[in-house]
Amino acid sequence: AQTVTQSQPEMSVQEAETVTLSCTYDTSESNYYLFWYKQPPSRQMILVIRQEAYKQQNATENRFSVNFQKAAKSFSLKISDSQLGDTAMYFCAFLTNRDDKIIFGKGTRLHILP
Amino acid sequence: NAGVTQTPKFQVLKTGQSMTLQCAQDMNHEYMSWYRQDPGMGLRLIHYSVGAGITDQGEVPNGYNVSRSTTEDFPLRLLSAAPSQTSVYFCASRITGFSGANVLTFGAGSRLTVL
Repeated sequence: AQTVTQSQPEMSVQEAETVTLSCTYDTSESNYYLFWYKQPPSRQMILVIRQEAYKQQNATENRFSVNFQKAAKSFSLKISDSQLGDTAMYFCAFLTNRDDKIIFGKGTRLHILP
Repeated sequence: NAGVTQTPKFQVLKTGQSMTLQCAQDMNHEYMSWYRQDPGMGLRLIHYSVGAGITDQGEVPNGYNVSRSTTEDFPLRLLSAAPSQTSVYFCASRITGFSGANVLTFGAGSRLTVL
């Protein structure tokens, strides 16, 4: 079975610090897409960043970047210069070309402290 | 551009009652899906559809029915609600196929409480 594991249920960091959220996954497929979604207190699900497994270069979106280690099946999210608005639940997810399902991890609740 | 619209946003049911959560999208997405979100459990896939007339089960399908008569609509039915179905439900859609554009667009969620 394909699984996604987020080992940090909850984290807190001071504003302006850098924080890394971890995600590991298990699949036998060679190509797949990985995603990080953000869910702020409003409950809306928002895409933060995506990465294709065949691309060597780590994806970046402004203050958000990933560390994709394919051999280790690891896909961590780094948030630089964290802001109060980054307070949210963050979900790691992936999609393989075997089926049409996007599988989510259990999430990491991130608190940015003033 | 409304995106994915879910109704109702909140609902309280008694055990054994039935109800339908509505989901509509205006992006011409072939793929639509329902997830439930529970504390500590993340998002779990209930049912999904890759086009009109085609539905399939996800990880937690028991107690839920779906149908897909049009591209736009994908209702989720609870035939006999149970307290274990108390949750927040999300409808999400995307294009089909395998590409970087396969990003799920989510509705705002529906909070269901079963007493």
